[in-house]
Amino acid sequence: ELKVEQNPLFLSMQEGKNYTIYCNYSTTSDRLYWYRQDPGKSLESLFVLLSNGAVKQEGRLMASLDTKARLSTLHITAAVHDLSATYFCAVDMLMNRDDKIIFGKGTRLHILP
Amino acid sequence: GAVVSQHPSWVICKSGTSVKIECRSLDFQATTMFWYRQFPKQSLMLMATSNEGSKATYEQGVEKDKFLINHASLTLSTLTVTSAHPEDSSFYICSAGGGWGNIQYFGAGTRLSVL
Repeated sequence: ELKVEQNPLFLSMQEGKNYTIYCNYSTTSDRLYWYRQDPGKSLESLFVLLSNGAVKQEGRLMASLDTKARLSTLHITAAVHDLSATYFCAVDMLMNRDDKIIFGKGTRLHILP
Repeated sequence: GAVVSQHPSWVICKSGTSVKIECRSLDFQATTMFWYRQFPKQSLMLMATSNEGSKATYEQGVEKDKFLINHASLTLSTLTVTSAHPEDSSFYICSAGGGWGNIQYFGAGTRLSVL
């Protein structure tokens, strides 16, 4: 059974600081996703990581994937208040012809001005 | 990116009534659609996977007779919450696959409140 673990589950940080969210998963997978969710809203796709060593960056967010360690990280550089949200990682789980993805519990990020 | 439309965005209903939620892929054909439920401050829980033209596959613990899923075309899936009760109040999110590289695209979600 595929399990996805995120940590920390809650993070409060000051603006301008750097921090990393970790996502571990239990079995081999084809794709790893990072999503952002604002309160009361649906998911916004941030990154899709497809291969070992993949690194993607968008603004102050950078995601990486180590498939050997079954670990992905989402790094926040010089955080700003607008990045406050809940961040989910999710892992692809190919089963038959379906393309189920399993979500981590999410990291609630609160950035203090 | 691809667009998935979910309707309604918010619904309030009386206990015992049924509610239908629609999920449409607007600019691609979705061979597979997924329905999730999310309780406050929790993660998304996959309820069921629907494939066009066949019966949905429900996750363990999800009552298929209560949560009816129909995926009659490549662009539309519906979730009907039958005889809704207050404990069914939740945020329901659909997603559609089958687009570029089978990446899932999420709808805006439906907030269901059962009185």
